[in-house]
Amino acid sequence: GAVVSQHPSWVICKSGTSVKIECRSLDFQATTMFWYRQFPKQSLMLMATSNEGSKATYEQGVEKDKFLINHASLTLSTLTVTSAHPEDSSFYICSARGTGEYQPQHFGDGTRLSIL
Amino acid sequence: DQQVKQNSPSLSVQEGRISILNCDYTNSMFDYFLWYKKYPAEGPTFLISISSIKDKNEDGRFTVFLNKSAKHLSLHIVPSQPGDSAVYFCAASLNQAGTALIFGKGTTLSVSS
Repeated sequence: GAVVSQHPSWVICKSGTSVKIECRSLDFQATTMFWYRQFPKQSLMLMATSNEGSKATYEQGVEKDKFLINHASLTLSTLTVTSAHPEDSSFYICSARGTGEYQPQHFGDGTRLSIL
Repeated sequence: DQQVKQNSPSLSVQEGRISILNCDYTNSMFDYFLWYKKYPAEGPTFLISISSIKDKNEDGRFTVFLNKSAKHLSLHIVPSQPGDSAVYFCAASLNQAGTALIFGKGTTLSVSS
């Protein structure tokens, strides 16, 4: 149980392209989903918290117009990197948390984004 | 300022022995702690967690110990297996809906046969 699917796993595209990444909880309902970014040899850094049916909460320094997040249902959140540039190249990972107390976050396998 | 610290970037253990991974935190408001295992190019996999009302939680070969007064937790793996070789992340959070995890930088565990 507690499977989170993230798609695509790897994207290579030209500078200026917008890229959409999907995150789905397959066997549980996720009121809250999270988007992280990981730089090489660094830990996961939270970008934003996404609650179903409401606007995402972005961490300081994360441009909300650059990284658009939509959480339209209890099983799907999307991250769109708009007008991507080489500095946006990174490993993006989503996680989903079920309802109730002391619930762990379950992570997708991440998306490797390479902007040429 | 790092709120969750894993001071050992790497650990090498022989198969069959105990692996002990350590984690320290600074925020006394954290009340939920988790360990994740991560392979390259994959997302973290949840291993085990502990709430602040407990000092020990065990699941098979994995045991997590929490010392709140020292703001320290540890993950014990007994016996260690070569398949346990991975990066282990300690994470902490407030037990509130929508609260994100704060991760340590990870410890790379290598188990040799």
